[in-house]
Amino acid sequence: DAGVIQSPRHEVTEMGQEVTLRCKPISGHDYLFWYRQTMMRGLELLIYFNNNVPIDDSGMPEDRFSAKMPNASFSTLKIQPSEPRDSAVYFCASSQASAYNEQFFGPGTRLTVL
Amino acid sequence: AQSVTQLGSHVSVSEGALVLLRCNYSSSVPPYLFWYVQYPNQGLQLLLKYTSAATLVKGINGFEAEFKKSETSFHLTKPSAHMSDAAEYFCAASGYSTLTFGKGTMLLVSP
Repeated sequence: DAGVIQSPRHEVTEMGQEVTLRCKPISGHDYLFWYRQTMMRGLELLIYFNNNVPIDDSGMPEDRFSAKMPNASFSTLKIQPSEPRDSAVYFCASSQASAYNEQFFGPGTRLTVL
Repeated sequence: AQSVTQLGSHVSVSEGALVLLRCNYSSSVPPYLFWYVQYPNQGLQLLLKYTSAATLVKGINGFEAEFKKSETSFHLTKPSAHMSDAAEYFCAASGYSTLTFGKGTMLLVSP
């Protein structure tokens, strides 16, 4: 298996622009998680899905953030409009309910908002 | 709510010295426990996991951790540090369907 795939790996954009981050989970996994990592706040859970349905989005910082999972093999995290304080590394992870909740992480997308 | 505490945001050791990274969890029911490692500019990788089978768990790269219910601890150790062990280490505990992560400990290895 190729593992969790994220794209792009790096994104540089200007304040006010729309940003879309993409994730392909491991085949057969029924949970998908979006995290944000910064030096100041560490690793934060933004939202997670079970069988493509959002379960908990309480970590989404503001309405500018939205996430979708249209099918079992694809998810997006969108920021519109982006702000400099959104600069961070965004990770996607997936897990299988029957496997102790062990999460497998993607390589991350480093987002820089100028 | 469950919490995971990692004592020390930074730990410094010399190459060849013992590595000890501390992790305590708060849960009335012992959860599944994990240690992840993050190398610079990479995602988190699983080092080892406790799933209630054996209390001493061996992982990759010579790391091991011991689950101690009486101390609600799951400390990570390695007998002899290598320069390549320099990374950030995260302890995590399973919840209903998610993981609760500690804040991480940066391991610094000097020659």
